[in-house]
Order: sequence, then structure tokens, then C-alpha cells
Amino acid sequence: EPEVTQTPSHQVTQMGQEVILRCVPISNHLYFYWYRQILGQKVEFLVSFYNNEISEKSEIFDDQFSVERPDGSNFTLKIRSTKLEDSAMYFCASSATGQETQYFGPGTRLLVL
Amino acid sequence: GESVGLHLPTLSVQEGDNSIINCAYSNSASDYFIWYKQESGKGPQFIIDIRSNMDKRQGQRVTVLLNKTVKHLSLQIAATQPGDSAVYFCAETFPYGQNFVFGPGTRLSVLP
Repeated sequence: EPEVTQTPSHQVTQMGQEVILRCVPISNHLYFYWYRQILGQKVEFLVSFYNNEISEKSEIFDDQFSVERPDGSNFTLKIRSTKLEDSAMYFCASSATGQETQYFGPGTRLLVL
Repeated sequence: GESVGLHLPTLSVQEGDNSIINCAYSNSASDYFIWYKQESGKGPQFIIDIRSNMDKRQGQRVTVLLNKTVKHLSLQIAATQPGDSAVYFCAETFPYGQNFVFGPGTRLSVLP
């Protein structure tokens, strides 16, 4: 069964450093998403991406964040200058169309020290 | 803004019993709903979905009920098993919206 994969599974970084979280969505999907989940809290939407551009973003997704689809398979989330409060689990998701089930990856646990 | 919420943060049931997890949503414009299951250290896993033109949908051991009058969504799990222990999230999305709004989650614990 096709699935969304994410790397790395864990990432520890120093405050102020840049991190890139990587995702490989399901191959025939066209819509891609990033969500985050702070420990013990609910899943929060960050951004959706379609046709090589951002289609929606939340208030959380400020100028320190960016997304990119550098090739036909990868979808990345870059956090330019990490802050302590960026520590969270980051989930990538994809869907075939924008109005159907989103399938989630296993997540990357980011810890900012 | 409007958001999805849950009545019960934790639910403990005996193995073999049926479980009912509830969710209240406040945006009457929401037209698509999903229940996700999240096990510790893993990503949300799709369980079942329902569109606003339906009031009930059944899967294998799971049933989702949608009551648009009172903006209520429930997930019923029949014959709950230890493997059902997880946090369950309801999520909603709006017409033409591309992001899901998640509720805070309910932790289901299955007792032997």
C-alpha cells in the first residue's frame, strides 16, 4: 500500500539554525500539506501546496517557513531560523485531490535547543 | 475562529464493548469530516470519512454518524480491541478549503 514517508524521523538543532524536513508524498497525489503537533496538543495546519505553489497557509506559517517541491517526488519544509517554540512533531500529508482524504506520514520530531 | 472540539478528553472501555467517541463542530459550512487514529509516536491514520450530504457511514467495525442539526459527529467502534487504544481526532474541512481543522483529540484506553 502506498504511503507518505518522511525523513529524518528525529532532528535536534540549535536555536537559530536552519532545518529542512523532507517528505515523499504518495506518487499520484497532487496536493501536499504540512501540519505540526506540539507535544500533547492537537494537530495544526501549516500550509497546503498544489501545482508548485502555496494554495493556503495558516497564521503559524510565517516568513521563517518555506516549502518547496524540488523534484518530482520530494516535498520539503524549511524553517530558516528555528526558535524554541518550533519544537514539535511535523507531519507531511498528501491527497489525490484537494477535497479528499489526506494521508499522513509518520512525522519528524524536531527539537530546538 | 471556529474550531472542532471534543466532549470527552479520555475514554476507557472494556475489551469487547462498543466505544463511542464524540465531536462537536461549530462551522455549519463544513462539508467533509474525517476521523483519524493516532498511536503513540505515529502520524494520524485515516479511519473513516463522511460528507455533509450523508448522516451515517459504516466501515469495518467503525461507524461515523453526522448530525448537522446539532453539529455533532461521532465515531462508534464495535467490539473494541486492545489495538484500538489510541488518540482519536475528528477533523473538518470547508467547501473549497484545503486544510483540515483538527479537534483536540480523545484518548481511548481499552481495558483487558
